[in-house]
Amino acid sequence: QQQVRQSPQSLTVWEGETAILNCSYENSAFDYFPWYQQFPGEGPALLIAIRSVSDKKEDGGFTIFFNKREKNLSLHIKDSQPGDSATYFCAASAGSGYNKLTFGKGTVLLVSP
Amino acid sequence: EAAVTQSPRSKVAVTGGKVTLSCHQTNNHDYMYWYRQDTGHGLRLIHYSYVADSTEKGDIPDGYKASRPSQENFSLILELASLSQTAVYFCASSDLRDWGGYAEQFFGPGTRLTVL
Repeated sequence: QQQVRQSPQSLTVWEGETAILNCSYENSAFDYFPWYQQFPGEGPALLIAIRSVSDKKEDGGFTIFFNKREKNLSLHIKDSQPGDSATYFCAASAGSGYNKLTFGKGTVLLVSP
Repeated sequence: EAAVTQSPRSKVAVTGGKVTLSCHQTNNHDYMYWYRQDTGHGLRLIHYSYVADSTEKGDIPDGYKASRPSQENFSLILELASLSQTAVYFCASSDLRDWGGYAEQFFGPGTRLTVL
């Protein structure tokens, strides 16, 4: 059972466009949603995160929109650059404690110049 | 800057052999984790630890053991490696509470394991 789903599996956008990556979840207890960015040959790194008490989080050109009622969220990458080409993972956590994260399968983003 | 290192970075093992993957962190973090990454599956938690000399099972612990001899070191052990354990393995560390009860996980560069 896939508790965190991401779509699309892969996405290609032109440089300067806004890339939109989607994520949905099933567990209503999830209340913390980090997005991790992974470049080939490297480990994932935290990009931006949101808690369920908020409906929007911005950090530079990255914005998370969160819809608690619909159990979905999206990551918007504004003015995409070739350097943003990477795999993006949506993750979710329920409560504090040992910070267990449940990851989605990822979206591979390619930004073409 | 958080630092998590893994060794080896790649390994080829034979079916039925024993494999040990090592992880070292200099973050002074309490929590450490082992994940495996397979194409099309994202990251899945194998084992984790919140204190030295103690480990806990994650979501897919079967076929794996873990060891946390010190705060800095966390090992993943495959006693009898199998073909299905071919994957990239990531170690991560985190503080217990860094932001309202949630803390960023810092990942190592990964170990690519191929079991033949």
